[in-house]
Amino acid sequence: GESVGLHLPTLSVQEGDNSIINCAYSNSASDYFIWYKQESGKGPQFIIDIRSNMDKRQGQRVTVLLNKTVKHLSLQIAATQPGDSAVYFCAENTNAGKSTFGDGTTLTVKP
Amino acid sequence: KAGVTQTPRYLIKTRGQQVTLSCSPISGHRSVSWYQQTPGQGLQFLFEYFSETQRNKGNFPGRFSGRQFSNSRSEMNVSTLELGDSALYLCASSLDNNYGYTFGSGTRLTVV
Repeated sequence: GESVGLHLPTLSVQEGDNSIINCAYSNSASDYFIWYKQESGKGPQFIIDIRSNMDKRQGQRVTVLLNKTVKHLSLQIAATQPGDSAVYFCAENTNAGKSTFGDGTTLTVKP
Repeated sequence: KAGVTQTPRYLIKTRGQQVTLSCSPISGHRSVSWYQQTPGQGLQFLFEYFSETQRNKGNFPGRFSGRQFSNSRSEMNVSTLELGDSALYLCASSLDNNYGYTFGSGTRLTVV
Protein backbone atom coordinates (compact mmCIF):
# COMPACT_ATOMS: atom_id res chain seq x y z
CA GLY A 1 0.00 0.00 0.00
CA GLU A 2 0.93 3.62 -0.13
CA SER A 3 3.23 4.78 2.62
CA VAL A 4 2.60 7.97 4.50
CA GLY A 5 4.75 9.90 6.87
CA LEU A 6 4.30 9.13 10.51
CA HIS A 7 3.29 11.81 12.98
CA LEU A 8 6.19 12.46 15.32
CA PRO A 9 5.71 14.36 18.57
CA THR A 10 9.18 15.89 18.23
CA LEU A 11 11.42 16.72 15.31
CA SER A 12 14.94 18.07 15.45
CA VAL A 13 16.63 19.49 12.36
CA GLN A 14 19.78 21.39 11.53
CA GLU A 15 19.47 25.04 10.57
CA GLY A 16 19.22 25.33 6.81
CA ASP A 17 17.75 21.86 6.31
CA ASN A 18 14.20 21.24 5.13
CA SER A 19 11.63 20.06 7.66
CA ILE A 20 8.62 17.85 7.05
CA ILE A 21 5.89 17.63 9.66
CA ASN A 22 3.16 15.04 9.17
CA CYS A 23 -0.40 14.83 10.33
CA ALA A 24 -3.17 12.28 9.92
CA TYR A 25 -6.71 13.59 10.05
CA SER A 26 -9.76 11.68 11.06
CA ASN A 27 -12.82 12.80 9.12
CA SER A 28 -13.10 12.10 5.42
CA ALA A 29 -15.78 14.80 5.22
CA SER A 30 -13.36 17.53 6.31
CA ASP A 31 -12.94 20.05 3.54
CA TYR A 32 -10.60 22.64 4.95
CA PHE A 33 -7.24 22.18 6.64
CA ILE A 34 -4.93 24.56 8.41
CA TRP A 35 -1.45 24.48 9.85
CA TYR A 36 -0.71 26.55 12.93
CA LYS A 37 2.52 27.41 14.70
CA GLN A 38 2.54 27.96 18.44
CA GLU A 39 5.46 29.57 20.23
CA SER A 40 5.88 29.44 23.97
CA GLY A 41 3.49 31.75 25.78
CA LYS A 42 1.47 32.57 22.68
CA GLY A 43 -1.64 31.35 20.97
CA PRO A 44 -1.44 29.34 17.74
CA GLN A 45 -0.59 31.40 14.68
CA PHE A 46 -2.01 30.65 11.22
CA ILE A 47 0.67 29.51 8.76
CA ILE A 48 -1.07 28.14 5.69
CA ASP A 49 -4.33 26.50 4.70
CA ILE A 50 -5.58 24.21 1.98
CA ARG A 51 -9.03 23.24 0.77
CA SER A 52 -10.00 19.73 -0.16
CA ASN A 53 -10.17 20.49 -3.87
CA MET A 54 -6.40 21.00 -3.89
CA ASP A 55 -3.52 18.68 -3.12
CA LYS A 56 -0.71 21.21 -2.78
CA ARG A 57 -0.38 24.82 -1.78
CA GLN A 58 2.75 26.91 -1.39
CA GLY A 59 3.51 29.90 0.75
CA GLN A 60 6.68 31.65 1.66
CA ARG A 61 9.11 28.83 2.58
CA VAL A 62 6.18 26.56 3.44
CA THR A 63 4.27 24.00 1.41
CA VAL A 64 1.25 22.00 2.49
CA LEU A 65 0.43 18.69 0.85
CA LEU A 66 -2.94 17.00 1.17
CA ASN A 67 -3.54 13.34 0.42
CA LYS A 68 -7.25 12.69 0.79
CA THR A 69 -6.96 9.04 -0.12
CA VAL A 70 -5.07 8.26 3.06
CA LYS A 71 -6.25 11.31 5.04
CA HIS A 72 -2.80 12.73 5.43
CA LEU A 73 -1.49 16.25 5.60
CA SER A 74 2.09 17.44 5.65
CA LEU A 75 3.86 20.73 6.15
CA GLN A 76 7.21 21.29 4.52
CA ILE A 77 9.42 24.12 5.71
CA ALA A 78 12.30 25.02 3.45
CA ALA A 79 15.65 26.22 4.82
CA THR A 80 14.53 25.89 8.42
CA GLN A 81 15.62 28.73 10.69
CA PRO A 82 15.95 28.97 14.49
CA GLY A 83 12.83 31.17 14.52
CA ASP A 84 10.87 28.21 13.17
CA SER A 85 11.31 26.37 16.48
CA ALA A 86 7.81 25.94 17.87
CA VAL A 87 4.96 23.47 18.17
CA TYR A 88 3.11 22.86 14.92
CA PHE A 89 -0.51 21.78 14.79
CA CYS A 90 -2.64 20.66 11.92
CA ALA A 91 -6.37 21.31 12.12
CA GLU A 92 -9.30 20.02 10.10
CA ASN A 93 -12.60 21.82 9.76
CA THR A 94 -15.44 19.39 9.89
CA ASN A 95 -18.45 21.65 10.18
CA ALA A 96 -19.46 25.13 11.12
CA GLY A 97 -16.73 26.81 13.07
CA LYS A 98 -15.21 23.69 14.62
CA SER A 99 -11.56 22.94 14.12
CA THR A 100 -10.24 19.61 15.34
CA PHE A 101 -6.56 19.86 16.16
CA GLY A 102 -3.91 17.18 15.88
CA ASP A 103 -1.52 16.38 18.68
CA GLY A 104 1.20 18.78 17.65
CA THR A 105 4.84 18.34 16.70
CA THR A 106 7.59 20.19 18.54
CA LEU A 107 10.17 21.36 16.03
CA THR A 108 13.64 22.18 17.34
CA VAL A 109 16.12 23.82 15.01
CA LYS A 110 19.75 23.33 15.92
CA PRO A 111 22.19 26.09 14.89
CA LYS B 1 -5.17 46.20 12.96
CA ALA B 2 -5.60 44.99 16.52
CA GLY B 3 -5.46 41.24 17.09
CA VAL B 4 -7.65 39.07 19.25
CA THR B 5 -7.58 40.33 22.82
CA GLN B 6 -8.22 38.07 25.78
CA THR B 7 -8.57 39.22 29.35
CA PRO B 8 -7.37 38.55 31.89
CA ARG B 9 -4.05 36.91 30.94
CA TYR B 10 -3.71 35.06 34.20
CA LEU B 11 -6.22 33.99 36.78
CA ILE B 12 -6.08 31.97 39.98
CA LYS B 13 -9.33 30.63 41.37
CA THR B 14 -10.37 28.26 44.13
CA ARG B 15 -12.26 25.03 43.56
CA GLY B 16 -15.99 25.60 43.51
CA GLN B 17 -15.76 29.19 42.34
CA GLN B 18 -16.85 30.40 38.95
CA VAL B 19 -14.92 32.40 36.38
CA THR B 20 -15.68 34.55 33.36
CA LEU B 21 -13.16 35.04 30.56
CA SER B 22 -13.44 37.70 27.91
CA CYS B 23 -12.47 37.82 24.25
CA SER B 24 -12.52 40.72 21.81
CA PRO B 25 -12.22 39.48 18.22
CA ILE B 26 -10.61 41.22 15.30
CA SER B 27 -12.86 43.96 13.99
CA GLY B 28 -15.18 42.55 11.35
CA HIS B 29 -14.82 38.96 12.48
CA ARG B 30 -18.16 37.47 13.40
CA SER B 31 -17.09 33.95 14.30
CA VAL B 32 -15.53 33.38 17.71
CA SER B 33 -14.37 30.00 18.96
CA TRP B 34 -13.05 28.90 22.32
CA TYR B 35 -10.52 26.18 23.01
CA GLN B 36 -9.02 24.60 26.09
CA GLN B 37 -5.35 23.69 25.91
CA THR B 38 -3.68 21.34 28.38
CA PRO B 39 -0.43 19.39 28.15
CA GLY B 40 -2.26 16.08 28.33
CA GLN B 41 -5.25 16.72 26.06
CA GLY B 42 -3.88 19.24 23.60
CA LEU B 43 -6.28 21.73 22.02
CA GLN B 44 -9.91 20.85 22.68
CA PHE B 45 -12.80 22.66 21.07
CA LEU B 46 -15.29 24.20 23.50
CA PHE B 47 -17.80 26.11 21.35
CA GLU B 48 -18.20 28.51 18.47
CA TYR B 49 -20.42 31.54 18.12
CA PHE B 50 -21.49 33.42 15.05
CA SER B 51 -23.71 36.49 15.16
CA GLU B 52 -24.62 35.84 18.80
CA THR B 53 -25.68 32.24 18.12
CA GLN B 54 -23.86 29.15 19.28
CA ARG B 55 -23.34 27.11 16.13
CA ASN B 56 -21.25 24.30 17.48
CA LYS B 57 -20.30 22.80 20.80
CA GLY B 58 -17.57 20.43 21.91
CA ASN B 59 -17.74 17.63 24.45
CA PHE B 60 -17.50 19.59 27.65
CA PRO B 61 -19.86 19.48 30.64
CA GLY B 62 -22.59 22.05 31.09
CA ARG B 63 -20.42 23.93 33.59
CA PHE B 64 -18.77 25.46 30.53
CA SER B 65 -20.90 28.05 28.81
CA GLY B 66 -20.43 31.05 26.61
CA ARG B 67 -22.13 33.86 24.86
CA GLN B 68 -21.50 36.42 22.16
CA PHE B 69 -22.63 40.01 22.14
CA SER B 70 -23.89 42.09 19.24
CA ASN B 71 -20.43 43.63 18.79
CA SER B 72 -19.01 40.07 18.41
CA ARG B 73 -17.20 40.20 21.73
CA SER B 74 -17.52 36.90 23.54
CA GLU B 75 -17.33 35.59 27.07
CA MET B 76 -17.01 32.11 28.43
CA ASN B 77 -17.98 31.07 31.90
CA VAL B 78 -16.96 28.08 33.95
CA SER B 79 -18.98 27.37 37.07
CA THR B 80 -18.10 25.15 40.02
CA LEU B 81 -14.45 25.06 39.10
CA GLU B 82 -12.51 21.82 39.43
CA LEU B 83 -8.76 21.30 39.64
CA GLY B 84 -8.86 19.72 36.19
CA ASP B 85 -10.12 22.96 34.68
CA SER B 86 -6.64 24.43 35.06
CA ALA B 87 -5.59 25.17 31.50
CA LEU B 88 -4.87 27.78 28.89
CA TYR B 89 -8.14 29.00 27.41
CA LEU B 90 -7.79 30.30 23.89
CA CYS B 91 -10.18 32.39 21.90
CA ALA B 92 -9.98 32.61 18.12
CA SER B 93 -11.86 34.74 15.63
CA SER B 94 -12.52 34.43 11.94
CA LEU B 95 -14.62 35.99 9.22
CA ASP B 96 -16.67 32.81 9.03
CA ASN B 97 -16.56 29.11 8.49
CA ASN B 98 -13.63 27.74 6.55
CA TYR B 99 -11.33 30.66 7.05
CA GLY B 100 -8.22 30.43 9.16
CA TYR B 101 -8.61 31.50 12.74
CA THR B 102 -6.63 34.20 14.49
CA PHE B 103 -5.93 33.26 18.07
CA GLY B 104 -5.47 35.42 21.11
CA SER B 105 -2.67 34.81 23.59
CA GLY B 106 -5.02 33.04 25.95
CA THR B 107 -6.04 33.20 29.57
CA ARG B 108 -4.02 30.96 31.88
CA LEU B 109 -6.46 29.67 34.51
CA THR B 110 -5.13 27.94 37.61
CA VAL B 111 -7.59 26.30 39.98
CA VAL B 112 -6.27 25.62 43.48
